[in-house]
This record gives sequence, structure tokens and C-alpha cells, in this order.
Amino acid sequence: DTGVSQDPRHKITKRGQNVTFRCDPISEHNRLYWYRQTLGQGPEFLTYFQNEAQLEKSRLLSDRFSAERPKGSFSTLEIQRTEQGDSAMYLCASSLIGTGIRRQETQYFGPGTRLLVL
Amino acid sequence: DAKTTQPNSMESNEEEPVHLPCNHSTISGTDYIHWYRQLPSQGPEYVIHGLTSNVNNRMASLAIAEDRKSSTLILHRATLRDAAVYYCILRGLQGAGSYQLTFGKGTKLSVIP
Repeated sequence: DTGVSQDPRHKITKRGQNVTFRCDPISEHNRLYWYRQTLGQGPEFLTYFQNEAQLEKSRLLSDRFSAERPKGSFSTLEIQRTEQGDSAMYLCASSLIGTGIRRQETQYFGPGTRLLVL
Repeated sequence: DAKTTQPNSMESNEEEPVHLPCNHSTISGTDYIHWYRQLPSQGPEYVIHGLTSNVNNRMASLAIAEDRKSSTLILHRATLRDAAVYYCILRGLQGAGSYQLTFGKGTKLSVIP
């Protein structure tokens, strides 16, 4: 399977613990996105990388959240001192940005990591 | 990003066509109309996108109104596998700002056997 993969698929943790999620994008995709989705809502943007550079962060990404993409391949999203409000599905997507102002990228999503904070 | 409005839910009988509407009255001249769908317990997947002309691909057709203030995603023969939440999203030109997708609540499509 050459799609986007995420690990783990499910995570249950206690309030105050730290958690880390991993995303492996489609090979050679230069863009990587993180989104968060709560029940009944559409996904909300958190942050994105172009290669290893983190280019934008949403105001949803509090200082307890940190994301990295150290070699421009896989990415990790860490949440420190988890709170019950962090319970959500965390989605990763990747894309290949080409040249040309009218080119529209397609984002390919992974299956997500479902986090439950007790 | 300009706002889109979609019905919360729709139903269709299996093997019948489905027309999913989206209103985007504040669309700008350079905004593309994208559709993604999310099957239960999965991440969203790309369906189709267009600018002005109607578009067809193996998954669906996209009909865009002449004034571009609305569009319709057409599934020609709904199958049970098409039961999903469908999101209509507007995106500007590359290089014009953020590349994030701004999702609304979408339309939940139920397909009746």
C-alpha cells in the first residue's frame, strides 16, 4: 500500500500525559498537513510542512502541540500535558506541489489517529 | 476562504443518481471548487474539482452554475459504498496564500438499498 499511513490508529491516555503520533506520507510528496476532527465536525487545519520547513500553524495549535518533519519525509505530532478537550481524530495528509499558479494540488489523507483522553 | 453552504443530510436509493448541492455566493473569480468525501472511519478523499466548466471523472461529475455561485456534485448511480459525508470546499490559486483545506460540516449522504 503506497498511501498515507498513520500510527497508532487509536490511543487512549490519561489527562496530563504526553502522546506522539506519526505520519508517513506518500513517497516524494513535498507537502504534509495535520488536521484535527471532532465528532460531527469537518476536519480543522492545524499545521503544514513543505519538505522539512513548517510554514504555517493554526491558532488551534496551542503551545502544548508541536510538530516536526525532520528529514522532509515522515512527521510527528506531539501533544504535551493532554487535556480532555484534545480528544479527537488527528488526520495527516500529503500532497505534491507542482509548478504553475493554476495547478490545484490534491491532498491524500491517512486513516487518522483517534485520541481519547480520560 | 469564501464560505460554502450545504444541506446537512440527503438520502438516495441505491443505483439512482444523486445531486449534492453547494452554494458559494461569495466565491471569487479565482476560487476553484473542490469536493472531498469522507467514508465512515476513514480520512477524507478527493472527488473532483473545477473552476468554470463542468467536469467529469470516474467518480463523479461537477456541474457549475454560470454565475459560479453554486455547484452540484453528481453521482450517476449511487452505491452503498458512496454513503459518506461530502464536503464542498473553495480554494484559491496556488501561491495566493495558505494551501489548507477549510472544511465545513458537509452533507451526510445515506444510500438506501
